[in-house]
Amino acid sequence: SYVLTQPPSVSVAPGKTARITCEGNNIGGKSVHWYQQKPGQAPVMVIYYDSDRPSGIPERFAGSNSGDTATLTISRVEAGDEADYYCQVWDSSTDQRVFGAGTKVTVL
Amino acid sequence: EVQLEESGGGLVQPGGSLRLSCAASGFTISSNYMSWVRQAPGKGLEWVSVIYSDGTTHYAESVKGRFTISRDKSKNLLHLQMNSLKTEDTAVYYCARDEARGELDYWGQGVQVTVSS
Repeated sequence: SYVLTQPPSVSVAPGKTARITCEGNNIGGKSVHWYQQKPGQAPVMVIYYDSDRPSGIPERFAGSNSGDTATLTISRVEAGDEADYYCQVWDSSTDQRVFGAGTKVTVL
Repeated sequence: EVQLEESGGGLVQPGGSLRLSCAASGFTISSNYMSWVRQAPGKGLEWVSVIYSDGTTHYAESVKGRFTISRDKSKNLLHLQMNSLKTEDTAVYYCARDEARGELDYWGQGVQVTVSS
């Protein structure tokens, strides 16, 4: 089965840039989606199709995908961005959806 | 406005059964792909199952043969029938609208399922 690997945690100071990676075999050939989950809440999609932002998601959230690594970039980080972030793909060979293990973003 | 609301969770003994429901408003479940995703306590998200608009279904290996996803067109409901439940099935279960390339654009608030003796 397809495996996505994320760093367990990322720490960033307010106003700085956070980068969260998601590694998978030739992930650049797949569409990657990203979700933000705050404690006690349901996940919210923040990026789809590698780099598209749903309505209402700030431009500070950006995504990229190439080779074996997809990246979620959060610019000008705010305290409210502190959350768990998950990458996800559709594995067309099995028709299954696959999540990464998640990255906890801490705002210092 | 698109909304999803799960129900049917609770406490069940190992080996028991439970049926979750997901009520949708603002769109038609049978015209869309729909997924179930779960989250064990303190753990990450785990995809469970999907049903396509044509009725095709797929499952995670961890639940295959025990869980069944279905829908009720007349009531605009999504279901997840869970049989032979194990302690490791304990989790919050979310239903989500699933789009063309697997992106989950709307989620319910989740329902707790606890499997324990």
